[in-house]
Amino acid sequence: GDSVTQMEGPVTLSEEAFLTINCTYTATGYPSLFWYVQYPGEGLQLLLKATKADDKGSNKGFEATYRKETTSFHLEKGSVQVSDSAVYFCALSDSTGRRALTFGSGTRLQVQP
Amino acid sequence: NAGVTQTPKFQVLKTGQSMTLQCAQDMNHNSMYWYRQDPGMGLRLIYYSASEGTTDKGEVPNGYNVSRLNKREFSLRLESAAPSQTSVYFCASHSSTVPYEQYFGPGTRLTVT
Repeated sequence: GDSVTQMEGPVTLSEEAFLTINCTYTATGYPSLFWYVQYPGEGLQLLLKATKADDKGSNKGFEATYRKETTSFHLEKGSVQVSDSAVYFCALSDSTGRRALTFGSGTRLQVQP
Repeated sequence: NAGVTQTPKFQVLKTGQSMTLQCAQDMNHNSMYWYRQDPGMGLRLIYYSASEGTTDKGEVPNGYNVSRLNKREFSLRLESAAPSQTSVYFCASHSSTVPYEQYFGPGTRLTVT
């Protein structure tokens, strides 16, 4: 079945540092790929998405590119802020009509001032 | 426009007790989902509903029942709660038109003692 693997956390960075969170996937067909963010005590919010190979999703300074050849969707940000501290989930949507999401285990990011 | 709402926000049950988690969406979406989130794991799909009156099992359906009585509401029932069902439960709905995104509720934190 489908699966998503993300780098384990926590990831601790200083403010203004460069962020990369790795995500790779296994899926049949052509899934859509997503990054969700969860702030403490809150639900999940969609951060960005990509629906086909070579698409780049971007939002709030975060970017990720859908790489079919390496089955990856790594999240990057050039300069993190304390307010980016959260748990980040990589996910894929199956290409069947169900469109349920398969999630990675999440990566906690802690940004220190 | 409230999006996806869930009640209750917190609940403590004793082993063997039953309860129903409520979920409603006001975005006129056809598809709705129940996920559970456990520490160190991503969200896992419990049940899915493609439309009013239809439901389908997800990855971890054992111990749960669901009901989709109308387009807005999708409830999750625990008939006889077990400590293994201690988790955070998220309801979500999916737009079948652009931008084809899944929207999450704020979650219900359930503890079974």
